[in-house]
Amino acid sequence: QVTLRESGPALVKPTQTLTLTCTFSGFSLSTSGMCVSWIRQPPGKALEWLARIDWDDDKYYSTSLKTRLTISKDTSKNQVVLTMTNMDPVDTATYYCARFTVTIDAFDIWGQGTMVTVSS
Amino acid sequence: QSALTQPASVSGSPGQSITISCTGTSSDVGSYNLVSWYQQHPGKAPKLMIYEGSKRPSGVSNRFSGSKSGNTASLTISGLQAEDEADYYCCSYAGSSPLFGGGTKLTVL
Repeated sequence: QVTLRESGPALVKPTQTLTLTCTFSGFSLSTSGMCVSWIRQPPGKALEWLARIDWDDDKYYSTSLKTRLTISKDTSKNQVVLTMTNMDPVDTATYYCARFTVTIDAFDIWGQGTMVTVSS
Repeated sequence: QSALTQPASVSGSPGQSITISCTGTSSDVGSYNLVSWYQQHPGKAPKLMIYEGSKRPSGVSNRFSGSKSGNTASLTISGLQAEDEADYYCCSYAGSSPLFGGGTKLTVL
């Protein structure tokens, strides 16, 4: 059974750096075709893709946010970490990690999400 | 890149069929047969319903179907059931990154 779980702070102050961890099980990020993405959803709004890391360590970022984002993986721990710098209240959202499988080109399994509020 | 365009809301009665459209451009929806659809119930994570335009993952009801014509992809739900009431999002590969639609709220009357 494939599962993903996000963890991180529920509250961050403006200008701080957010670090989120996605811990997964049921698959390996060293297996060809496996990828993990981060996607966020502000309250009452649509989904927004942020970043992706692939089994071969290729990394992709949202064009509008790439200067603020860093994605990395620890294959031995089955974890993917996303950092977002210079947080702003508009970054308040639920942050999801999801498995992206190249063979179907879709986010087939999602974590439950973690709500992050940016406020002083 | 702008989000894909979806109607804000659609509604239908139990047993009826509804279709949700997802309009992009020749750079995303029109160029790739890689549209996926996600169902999201309130307070829950999205769930994959359709991938590669028209394929259903294992376990997804065959009442859900997908298609594409030009720059517009569509999700059709037949035999509407109360449990289908949710938000639906389309997503398309768009060159360097995926692009989501603005979401459609489906109300089962």
